[in-house]
Amino acid sequence: QKEVEQDPGPLSVPEGAIVSLNCTYSNSAFQYFMWYRQYSRKGPELLMYTYSSGNKEDGRFTAQVDKSSKYISLFIRDSQPSDSATYLCAMSDPQAGTALIFGKGTTLSVSS
Amino acid sequence: DSGVTQTPKHLITATGQRVTLRCSPRSGDLSVYWYQQSLDQGLQFLIQYYNGEERAKGNILERFSAQQFPDLHSELNLSSLELGDSALYFCASSVGWNQPQHFGDGTRLSIL
Repeated sequence: QKEVEQDPGPLSVPEGAIVSLNCTYSNSAFQYFMWYRQYSRKGPELLMYTYSSGNKEDGRFTAQVDKSSKYISLFIRDSQPSDSATYLCAMSDPQAGTALIFGKGTTLSVSS
Repeated sequence: DSGVTQTPKHLITATGQRVTLRCSPRSGDLSVYWYQQSLDQGLQFLIQYYNGEERAKGNILERFSAQQFPDLHSELNLSSLELGDSALYFCASSVGWNQPQHFGDGTRLSIL
């Protein structure tokens, strides 16, 4: 079993839809959780950074962490064609070091 | 623009050769991380440096080595290259321990 599982998609939605992206993980020691957006031929861009459980909102983006279920989510409200990209979840165990463990990414396409 | 600069953007070389990838971290960041991204493995952590010293190693091959210089820029050296080393190599930087990592746009390495 991989440490971090993420459905690769692709996920196709119309403009204005609410998008839900998810990751599950197996290592209960993970404490830091991140979402990155990666456009083609570009590096991952940090969208959300959270510590432990709970919700965090930033504009149209909401990150949720449920440590009891080992499940994290990213919600995108009012999705735009410019949101079309690959979304990567990442997490780290602070006791094991600061290396990020990534999911393989979900490809999202938002059509106008 | 993340502030992390990687050069060159693209490298094409042959099996058995040696290449050097360069990374300049964001101003003020002391930690530099190297990751490899391939289609089948996703983003994999290779190695981390903090203020000139190696701090963590991931799945880095013995043929690969890195260093961080006094001006904090870092280089990743790949030698005896094999076809399977073809991938995107990303550098990320952060201020310190367990802080958000910001990625450059990567170097695409193609082995012919």
